[in-house]
Amino acid sequence: GDSVTQTEGQVTVSESKSLIINCTYSATSIAYPNLFWYVRYPGEGLQLLLKVITAGQKGSSRGFEATYNKETTSFHLQKASVQESDSAVYYCALSEDNYAQGLTFGLGTRVSVFP
Amino acid sequence: GGIITQTPKFLIGQEGQKLTLKCQQNFNHDTMYWYRQDSGKGLRLIYYSITENDLQKGDLSEGYDASREKKSSFSLTVTSAQKNEMAVFLCASSTGFEQYFGPGTRLTVL
Repeated sequence: GDSVTQTEGQVTVSESKSLIINCTYSATSIAYPNLFWYVRYPGEGLQLLLKVITAGQKGSSRGFEATYNKETTSFHLQKASVQESDSAVYYCALSEDNYAQGLTFGLGTRVSVFP
Repeated sequence: GGIITQTPKFLIGQEGQKLTLKCQQNFNHDTMYWYRQDSGKGLRLIYYSITENDLQKGDLSEGYDASREKKSSFSLTVTSAQKNEMAVFLCASSTGFEQYFGPGTRLTVL
């Protein structure tokens, strides 16, 4: 089946430093799945951070960027300068062409930003 | 905008008990989903429904039943709760690529 592998566990970073969360994917039924980053801030529900549905394109939101790299089957999430408010759990996910079939999620990466 | 409501927020059950979780959405979305999340793990799809009265099994459907009697609601039943089971169940809805998630129901089985 489909799978998503991302930086495991917890990442701790100082405010104003850069952040990268690695994500690689494998889709069994489709060459170019749709790719997503979801985020759960403390005390809030899971919400979409950004999505890219075309291979080679870049998505961005709230200062975060992720590029859909079909050669390396990767979709790493990056931010040049993090803030305390970026502390959250980040999930990489994919869906196949028929997006109604649901998402396949990675295990999540907890990011803690310290002042 | 819209909202997804899940009830109850916390659910405590006994081993072997049948337990029902409810989800309501006012987005008027066609498709709804139930996911399960275990501690430290990603979400796994249990059931989804692309329209009223439609049910499709996900990877984790064994041990669960679902019901979609109205477009706005989607229920999930744990057919026989397993001892020491602890998980969060998330409901979601979508009309396209983006899924909107509810706050979750946290299940504990004693």
